[in-house]
Amino acid sequence: NAGVTQTPKFQVLKTGQSMTLQCAQDMNHEYMSWYRQDPGMGLRLIHYSVGAGITDQGEVPNGYNVSRSTTEDFPLRLLSAAPSQTSVYFCASSYLTGVIEQYFGPGTRLTVT
Amino acid sequence: EDKVVQSPLSLVVHEGDTVTLNCSYEVTNFRSLLWYKQEKKAPTFLFMLTSSGIEKKSGRLSSILDKKELFSILNITATQTGDSAIYLCAVRFSNSGYALNFGKGTSLLVTP
Repeated sequence: NAGVTQTPKFQVLKTGQSMTLQCAQDMNHEYMSWYRQDPGMGLRLIHYSVGAGITDQGEVPNGYNVSRSTTEDFPLRLLSAAPSQTSVYFCASSYLTGVIEQYFGPGTRLTVT
Repeated sequence: EDKVVQSPLSLVVHEGDTVTLNCSYEVTNFRSLLWYKQEKKAPTFLFMLTSSGIEKKSGRLSSILDKKELFSILNITATQTGDSAIYLCAVRFSNSGYALNFGKGTSLLVTP
């Protein structure tokens, strides 16, 4: 089991560029989510999904898009990067029933200049 | 607005000390409270609490929930330098679906 994987680990973008952060899990989890972590701010929810074809916004969705075409993958797209999106991004997944602790990926450190 | 508050925000102790980390929450419909440990990487799961008064224990770490007073504590006894990390508290509310609402974390430094 690879668990939750994220690519890339590090990325530097210029303002206005677009990119996709990849997230995949091999645990057959229905629920997947994206968080960003900024110093002193804890983890804030960007978008989440409860199954293939279903996505919804979290606390800080502006500037980000997601899609969920398969159970395994949940990519996060930055449409036009801004310096305010400099952050560490974590993907997490869990079951919807039973023990629903969330498992986190290793994170992507993004810098927008 | 639902929110989760952790205290203290940072803490420095000596090896062997016992520490207590606090997490309080304001909630409309509480479902569960989770504790995570974060070193220089992704958060790792410690405990999930759903019932009041039942202590969860793992080695030197333990946690308990008080649903009446809306708080949880995480205790670490006989601290070691390897306990140095950020400890995150997260709460799942009914109206948040399956999303976790995180506090800002407590940064713990254990010195030799």
